[in-house]
This record gives sequence, structure tokens and C-alpha cells, in this order.
Amino acid sequence: GESVGLHLPTLSVQEGDNSIINCAYSNSASDYFIWYKQESGKGPQFIIDIRSNMDKRQGQRVTVLLNKTVKHLSLQIAATQPGDSAVYFCAPPLGRHTGNQFYFGTGTSLTVIP
Amino acid sequence: KAGVTQTPRYLIKTRGQQVTLSCSPISGHRSVSWYQQTPGQGLQFLFEYFSETQRNKGNFPGRFSGRQFSNSRSEMNVSTLELGDSALYLCASRPGQGAYEQYFGPGTRLTVT
Repeated sequence: GESVGLHLPTLSVQEGDNSIINCAYSNSASDYFIWYKQESGKGPQFIIDIRSNMDKRQGQRVTVLLNKTVKHLSLQIAATQPGDSAVYFCAPPLGRHTGNQFYFGTGTSLTVIP
Repeated sequence: KAGVTQTPRYLIKTRGQQVTLSCSPISGHRSVSWYQQTPGQGLQFLFEYFSETQRNKGNFPGRFSGRQFSNSRSEMNVSTLELGDSALYLCASRPGQGAYEQYFGPGTRLTVT
């Protein structure tokens, strides 16, 4: 089955610095990846997605990089703010044609130090 | 547009009892998925319903079941509750096939004593 390894379960960064959250996946057939952010007391919220035919996608203050050769994803947050403190999930699909079955795992908890 | 709503938000039950949780998706969304979130296991997929049919199922025992109504509202049921069922149960909706982005509700916090 799918396994996802978040390189660090927790990450602390200084306000204003850039944050990088890394994620490795095992299923080479994964063709779509989503990053979610979950703030305390809330459900996860979609941040950004990327398809396997891309290696980079940018959003507002966030960039996702995909390296299919080594099966690695990263989420970069520019100028990290206190409101970015949350748990971040890298969610690859559990397999091709599995519909809505994505693997979330335990996430990376980001703490922004003011 | 109103977001995904879940009721109740908090629930305390005793081992052996059963529980029903409710989810109302975003208007127009036909797919509803359920997840269990615990500190140790993270966010795990339970099942997905689309147009009243279960489309996908995660690796959970048969004590966990669900259904979807014609208005897309969904319920999940857990029978014969165990202590290990204590978790945050999240519901997520999406418009339908081909749209992968999910919109999550705030969850129902279930505590089994």
C-alpha cells in the first residue's frame, strides 16, 4: 500500500523566514498530490495541488515542488506568518483510479515563533 | 455558500454503545467522504459516498458503516463502540467525479469511555 514519509513531524520557524515541509511517497503511479493545512480545532483546508506532469506550482506565498525521480514533494511557504501555524498534510492518492482515496498520514506540525 | 456542517460537534459514549454522526455537504456537492483522525494514526479514510452509493472504502472493520441520502447528506454509524474509536471524525465533500479538492467540516469529537 501507499506510504508517505514526512521528513519531520514537527517544524519550528521564525516569523518572516521561509518554511519548507518535505514529503516522500512510495507509489510511483501517483499522479496527483494535494497539500492541506489543518488549524487547531478545524478540519483540513486545501492549499495547493500539483499533477505529475508538472514539477512546480505556485500559489499565494506557497510553492510546491515535485520530484518524480526520487518520489519527493515539498511545500515552501514564503515569509512565514503566525497564521501559518498548523498541521500540514501531503496527500498523494492511494493508487491510480482510487477515486477520492488519498493518504494523509499524521502530517507535519508547523509552529511559527513570533 | 455555506460550508460543510457536522453534528454533533462533541459526543461522549460508553463502550458497547452505538453512535450516528451526521454531515451536510456544501450545496451542490454530490460526494461525501468520512475520515477518522487520531494522534497516533493521523487522518485515515473511512469511506466515500457518491449519489447514495458507496464508491470507496478504507480499511476499517464492519462496525463502521455509512449511508448517503438523496439530498447528499450523509450519516456514519459506529456500532459496539470500543475505546480505540475515540477520535475526531471528519466529513468532506466535493462536487463529484474528477474534482479531487475536498472541503472538510469541523469534525465531531467522539470520546468513548
